[in-house]
Amino acid sequence: AQSVSQHNHHVILSEAASLELGCNYSYGGTVNLFWYVQYPGQHLQLLLKYFSGDPLVKGIKGFEAEFIKSKFSFNLRKPSVQWSDTAEYFCAVRNNRLAFGKGNQVVVIP
Amino acid sequence: DADVTQTPRNRITKTGKRIMLECSQTKGHDRMYWYRQDPGLGLRLIYYSFDVKDINKGEISDGYSVSRQAQAKFSLSLESAIPNQTALYFCATSTTSGGETDTQYFGPGTRLTVL
Repeated sequence: AQSVSQHNHHVILSEAASLELGCNYSYGGTVNLFWYVQYPGQHLQLLLKYFSGDPLVKGIKGFEAEFIKSKFSFNLRKPSVQWSDTAEYFCAVRNNRLAFGKGNQVVVIP
Repeated sequence: DADVTQTPRNRITKTGKRIMLECSQTKGHDRMYWYRQDPGLGLRLIYYSFDVKDINKGEISDGYSVSRQAQAKFSLSLESAIPNQTALYFCATSTTSGGETDTQYFGPGTRLTVL
């Protein structure tokens, strides 16, 4: 079965630090890839997605993600985080169905 | 996303009670989904529907049932609630019509507590 792995469930960093969240998936066929963000007390919002084309995808709020097919990875990055980036981040992979990782809880300290 | 609404937003109930969670959308999407979110487990799919007459089980459908009353409405029922069904429940919608990419858009969630 398809699975999605996110490491380092809890991440704490200071403002202006760089953020990278890893996402690996197990399925070897064609996949669509997503990162969602959930701010405290809110619903999931789409940050960015990859379907095809340029493997470096730019999303909202300064986030980007790189699809590396050979590594089955879709890591999320932001060069300089802000306090308002405190949230939980979910990677999701779709082949037939959308499967979510367990999330990364990110806390940015002012 | 305001186009996807869920009612109620919060509910506390007792073991054994029947509960219905409702989801409505104005996005015109044909596909709808119910997920539950538990701390440290991410989102897990309960049921999904690709059209009014289409209902499919997800990975954790036991103890739940659904009804797709119309294209815009998808209800989740717990026939006899139990404490381990305490969770945050999300509805989502998507479509592949009109060149859309089947990206899922989520409602605000329903926090259910079963005592």
